[in-house]
Amino acid sequence: ETGVTQTPRHLVMGMTNKKSLKCEQHLGHNAMYWYKQSAKKPLELMFVYNFKEQTENNSVPSRFSPECPNSSHLFLHLHTLQPEDSALYLCASSQEWRTNTEAFFGQGTRLTVV
Amino acid sequence: GENVEQHPSTLSVQEGDSAVIKCTYSDSASNYFPWYKQELGKRPQLIIDIRSNVGEKKDQRIAVTLNKTAKHFSLHITETQPEDSAVYFCAATSGGGSTLGRLYFGRGTQLTVWP
Repeated sequence: ETGVTQTPRHLVMGMTNKKSLKCEQHLGHNAMYWYKQSAKKPLELMFVYNFKEQTENNSVPSRFSPECPNSSHLFLHLHTLQPEDSALYLCASSQEWRTNTEAFFGQGTRLTVV
Repeated sequence: GENVEQHPSTLSVQEGDSAVIKCTYSDSASNYFPWYKQELGKRPQLIIDIRSNVGEKKDQRIAVTLNKTAKHFSLHITETQPEDSAVYFCAATSGGGSTLGRLYFGRGTQLTVWP
């Protein structure tokens, strides 16, 4: 499958649960991103990985923990979340960080924290 | 950091009419301005982008204009069709410092095209 793929598409979790979101890209890109999309808010950049190295952590709470084992895969580990963390989490990739090239988005994981 | 404002938040037009969405940005060093379209339940997808060395770019029914002096850029859709209905996001990249290259998004415009 080409493009950026995210799993699961939907996730409901309790505040004490631990879960992980997965993102995979088959575009040969070197930069991958996690964004949070909440209703009526701009897309918020959470993390950036460039060549597997984390280059940006946009003041994200520690209950969100990213992992990038290689340039094709990106995970977001979740634990002890709050109801206000409910949102659409989008993964994206681009050729490289800071080169002003197109970002390709996945379809997102709709997260609900109960 | 960069601040991107987008207006209007909602826009309804009749099929065949034109639609214009406007964005302003704060960082005068910003140099890349993409527009993304997000249909309901789908991923955002790039529809057009413009760089700071160009004032206008057109792709069929879609055009983007950039006024660097006013720090203002706009998306123009002509001959709108129902399938143009979606949320449109503008973005600007920070031009320098620790936030160099980071994309800052506007809040989005929900465009509805009525047949």
